[in-house]
Amino acid sequence: KQEVTQIPAALSVPEGENLVLNCSFTDSAIYNLQWFRQDPGKGLTSLLLIQSSQREQTSGRLNASLDKSSGRSTLYIAASQPGDSATYLCAVYTGGGNKLTFGTGTQLKVEL
Amino acid sequence: SAVISQKPSRDICQRGTSLTIQCQVDSQVTMMFWYRQQPGQSLTLIATANQGSEATYESGFVIDKFPISRPNLTFSTLTVSNMSPEDSSIYLCSVEEGWGGNEQFFGPGTRLTVL
Repeated sequence: KQEVTQIPAALSVPEGENLVLNCSFTDSAIYNLQWFRQDPGKGLTSLLLIQSSQREQTSGRLNASLDKSSGRSTLYIAASQPGDSATYLCAVYTGGGNKLTFGTGTQLKVEL
Repeated sequence: SAVISQKPSRDICQRGTSLTIQCQVDSQVTMMFWYRQQPGQSLTLIATANQGSEATYESGFVIDKFPISRPNLTFSTLTVSNMSPEDSSIYLCSVEEGWGGNEQFFGPGTRLTVL
């Protein structure tokens, strides 16, 4: 059974700092990995999708990497802003049911 | 990317009643999913709803408690039946664009509180 873990569970940083969020998964047989953002009480916004054959994806100040063999992904946020404050979730897509398995999330707070 | 809407956005319900949540997509999609997010928890898949076939439920979820309809390629409903306070959660629908291993997009969620 696939298990996804995110570290840290919570993070508070000053504005402008670069930061890294970590995601690990137990079964490396994945099709892709997706990073999401969730604001309190809201739905999920897709940030980045990395296919299993890719090593990284970039979108603006966000960069996500994938090391499939070691079961790890990182989300790098450059020059953090208060508007980045949210919970960040990673999810891996495995076959045999076409479903996403979600991590536990990292709650990020960027302070002025 | 697909634009997904859900109704209602939130509701407060009494124990023992049922609530039907609607999910509307602005494009035709093959696969739609229903998730539950309990307070302080991550998302758990309830079921996969494909048009023209019965929904496939995950372990721990049954059709009698969470009946699902998928009448066409742009719409689905999830009913939470005979509710108890333990059903208080955010319920989210999502769609997958493409076929297999592609990006998923989520609706804004329905926040349900059961008293």
